[in-house]
Amino acid sequence: QVQLVESGGGVVQPGRSLRLSCAASGFTFDDYSLHWIRQVPGKGLQWVAVISYDAKQKDYADFAEGRFTIFRDDSKSTLYLQMDSLRPEDTGIYYCARGPYGEPDYWGQGTLVTVSS
Amino acid sequence: DVVMTQSPLSLSVTLGQPASISCRSSQSLVYSDGNTFLLWLQQRPGQSPRRLIYKVSNRDSGVPDRFSGSGSGTDFTLKISRVEAEDVGVYYCMQGTHWPPITFGQGTRLEIK
Repeated sequence: QVQLVESGGGVVQPGRSLRLSCAASGFTFDDYSLHWIRQVPGKGLQWVAVISYDAKQKDYADFAEGRFTIFRDDSKSTLYLQMDSLRPEDTGIYYCARGPYGEPDYWGQGTLVTVSS
Repeated sequence: DVVMTQSPLSLSVTLGQPASISCRSSQSLVYSDGNTFLLWLQQRPGQSPRRLIYKVSNRDSGVPDRFSGSGSGTDFTLKISRVEAEDVGVYYCMQGTHWPPITFGQGTRLEIK
């Protein structure tokens, strides 16, 4: 069965960096685009970024552009999100989700990121 | 960005009774290929979101047939024909037609009366 397991969350000070991982199993990893979506207290669900199946296309939400980088390692069936210059408003649960682009189907259980001094 | 507006934001329903959630988009969700990328997600307490419905009205595998989606253009509805205890949670609509960004409704909290 499809499984997506996020890790890497934690407590970090404003301005610092964090790298999230999403380990996938149960499907052919390099056949699918992958998303990062976050759940922010008081703001609901926010789409963060997507990477195409072949990593040739990457798109970001405005708040992530220039600070976050999505990438994948198909040899490890793992998706990543490098988050730099973190802000308190980046606090939330970060989920990875499997594509297709416009209709992600499976979601992971999420990893909690807390940005606080 | 496409704004998704759900109503009501909370719903209290007696077991066995129907429930209905509305979702409106700020622009038509019909894509150039004729598809409409409108999804419904369910988030049970303490769990991650789960996709229930895709392309307006297609149920995902394992989703009970008491859940149905309908609508077109800018107006969409999720209906539960007979609410069961396991349906408690928050329901979100999501559009994937005009992206980036993919956008979500605010969520509708369903509780049992």
